[in-house]
Amino acid sequence: GDQVEQSPSALSLHEGTGSALRCNFTTTMRAVQWFRKNSRGSLINLFYLASGTKENGRLKSAFDSKERYSTLHIRDAQLEDSGTYFCAADPPSGSWQLIFGSGTQLTVMP
Amino acid sequence: EAAVTQSPRSKVAVTGGKVTLSCHQTNNHDYMYWYRQDTGHGLRLIHYSYVADSTEKGDIPDGYKASRPSQENFSLILELASLSQTAVYFCASSDRAYSGNTLYFGEGSRLIVV
Repeated sequence: GDQVEQSPSALSLHEGTGSALRCNFTTTMRAVQWFRKNSRGSLINLFYLASGTKENGRLKSAFDSKERYSTLHIRDAQLEDSGTYFCAADPPSGSWQLIFGSGTQLTVMP
Repeated sequence: EAAVTQSPRSKVAVTGGKVTLSCHQTNNHDYMYWYRQDTGHGLRLIHYSYVADSTEKGDIPDGYKASRPSQENFSLILELASLSQTAVYFCASSDRAYSGNTLYFGEGSRLIVV
């Protein structure tokens, strides 16, 4: 089965509100990355975490390897935050290929 | 900022035809990857390479070949394109020696097989 389960698949927010995306892993992962697909179709790296939390502006991400999950929190959502967000997990030692979640389509409404 | 460029950005191909997707990176990265994205799925790894003149199979290599003629260039080849290969393809590079597996992606190539 899928090793990375991302939820929700779609999310609608009003400007100024916030929410969280989540990825659950079926096994212990070494690290996680979060990406956003921009308007040109490219994937922009938001965070890379091997543990703990990181914050960048209105985005904050957490990764708990032991509990097998990662989250991406968005606060004070803006229209330009709309897009598709992906998590990608770095599998255990011996394999360095990232395993991607299925993505979350975020729509921020006025 | 890392730079990964793909070409073509969009292509319509005929079933049974040959398609070559090209990727060029100027990051001096050793590792390059080809992924495909389908609606409802995350990116899935097709082929990857960690050194010039060598390629490795990813998770879904069937129906695809890859070529890494130089450190900068990595191509994905569909010898006999099929309808099921309609998808968006992403190339990426990484320098494994730097900050884990941070990937730098190209802008994607949309392939439609008719």
